[in-house]
Amino acid sequence: QKEVEQNSGPLSVPEGAIASLNCTYSDRGSQSFFWYRQYSGKSPELIMFIYSNGDKEDGRFTAQLNKASQYVSLLIRDSQPSDSATYLCAVSPYNFNKFYFGSGTKLNVKP
Amino acid sequence: GAGVSQSPSNKVTEKGKDVELRCDPISGHTALYWYRQSLGQGLEFLIYFQGNSAPDKSGLPSDRFSAERTGGSVSTLTIQRTQQEDSAVYLCASSPPGLAGTFGTQYFGPGTRLLVL
Repeated sequence: QKEVEQNSGPLSVPEGAIASLNCTYSDRGSQSFFWYRQYSGKSPELIMFIYSNGDKEDGRFTAQLNKASQYVSLLIRDSQPSDSATYLCAVSPYNFNKFYFGSGTKLNVKP
Repeated sequence: GAGVSQSPSNKVTEKGKDVELRCDPISGHTALYWYRQSLGQGLEFLIYFQGNSAPDKSGLPSDRFSAERTGGSVSTLTIQRTQQEDSAVYLCASSPPGLAGTFGTQYFGPGTRLLVL
C-alpha cells in the first residue's frame, strides 16, 4: 500500500467550474499536509498547506482535511486553463523529516 | 531573492560511471531535501538534512547513493556505478527555519535530469 494515494486522472473540467482533487494517506501519525502544483517539465510549487481538521481557504483554493478519514482534498473554484497541471499531495510527520508524495492528479481545464 | 539552484541541469552518463549532483538552497534555509522523480511518477523521498546532519538515510535506494551537506548550505548527491534505472529527474528542495506558518514548506529547485545510457 502506498503512503499517499491519488487518482491519476486526467480530471477534465470546463473553465469556470470547481475542480475537486482528492488524496488519502495511510499513516495516522501524519501531521502536515501539502498541495503542490507541477506544470509539465517544471518543478513542483507549493499551493497550500493545512495542519488542522477542517477547511482552509486561500483565494480560489480551499484545502480540506479529515484526519479521522485520513483524507485531504483541494478545491479549485472558477477553474482557469492556466490551472491545467498535475497536482501533488504531500504528507509529513510532525518533525518534517520525511515527506511522502502521491503520484499526482492531472487536471485539464477546458476553455 | 534567489531560489534553489541545481547543477548540472542535464547529465548524460554511461552505465557504471559515477555522477555528482549539486544543490544550492535558498540562503538561510536550514532544511534540505532530495527527491527523485521518474517519468510520470510522483516524488520519491531520498534524504533530509537539518543543518549538516541527515538523521535518516533510509530513503536512499541503495548503497550506491550518498549525500552530504557542508556549511549548512550546499549539498551534493552522489550516485556511484550508475545504472539505467537511476535515470530520473533529481529534485532538491529547501525549507526555512520553523517560523509560524512556514513549517515544512518546501521550495524546489529546477532539478537535474539524469540519463544513464
